[in-house]
Amino acid sequence: GQSLEQPSEVTAVEGAIVQINCTYQTSGFYGLSWYQQHDGGAPTFLSYNALDGLEETGRFSSFLSRSDSYGYLLLQELQMKDSASYFCAVILAWRGSSNTGKLIFGQGTTLQVKP
Amino acid sequence: NAGVTQTPKFQVLKTGQSMTLQCAQDMNHNSMYWYRQDPGMGLRLIYYSASEGTTDKGEVPNGYNVSRLNKREFSLRLESAAPSQTSVYFCASSAKAGGGHEQYFGPGTRLTVT
Repeated sequence: GQSLEQPSEVTAVEGAIVQINCTYQTSGFYGLSWYQQHDGGAPTFLSYNALDGLEETGRFSSFLSRSDSYGYLLLQELQMKDSASYFCAVILAWRGSSNTGKLIFGQGTTLQVKP
Repeated sequence: NAGVTQTPKFQVLKTGQSMTLQCAQDMNHNSMYWYRQDPGMGLRLIYYSASEGTTDKGEVPNGYNVSRLNKREFSLRLESAAPSQTSVYFCASSAKAGGGHEQYFGPGTRLTVT
């Protein structure tokens, strides 16, 4: 089966740094993506890692360790507008290498940013 | 550019009724996807189409059918709606197959089956 684990809720204050972890167990792995979803809205793409290491995009960074089946999303200089749900999503591989086009999402982490 | 559009935004069905959810994208993307999201949950892939003329099952395809009408449009059909299909349905598209290339989501269709 496929499973992704991420914390259900995280709370932090404005200006702080927060890390949202994601561990996965899937049959075939191609890459790890992160999406943000505000209440009632559509998910929006934040970041993608196919190789081990850190990817940085402005205030957001994402890290992947394929050997540990683990990744995280790092949000810096938190703002009130960052209050949202954050989902990690594994892109499944076919026969170990090709991209199947299938995403498996975690259940999401609700981030609450307080003043 | 409108991006990804979905119709309708809201729908209430009685058990056993059928309906088709429409999705269109104007970004010339090759791949399109249908997801459902239940309260407090992540998105689950129902069906996807890696390119025009192809469709494939996702995690939860039972009770649904899809049609990739052309490169722009990808519809989802519920032949006989059940209360378990009450959910928010999102359509998405990407330039290439898979999420490594950013997926763009539509605003969603909120479906209630009574």
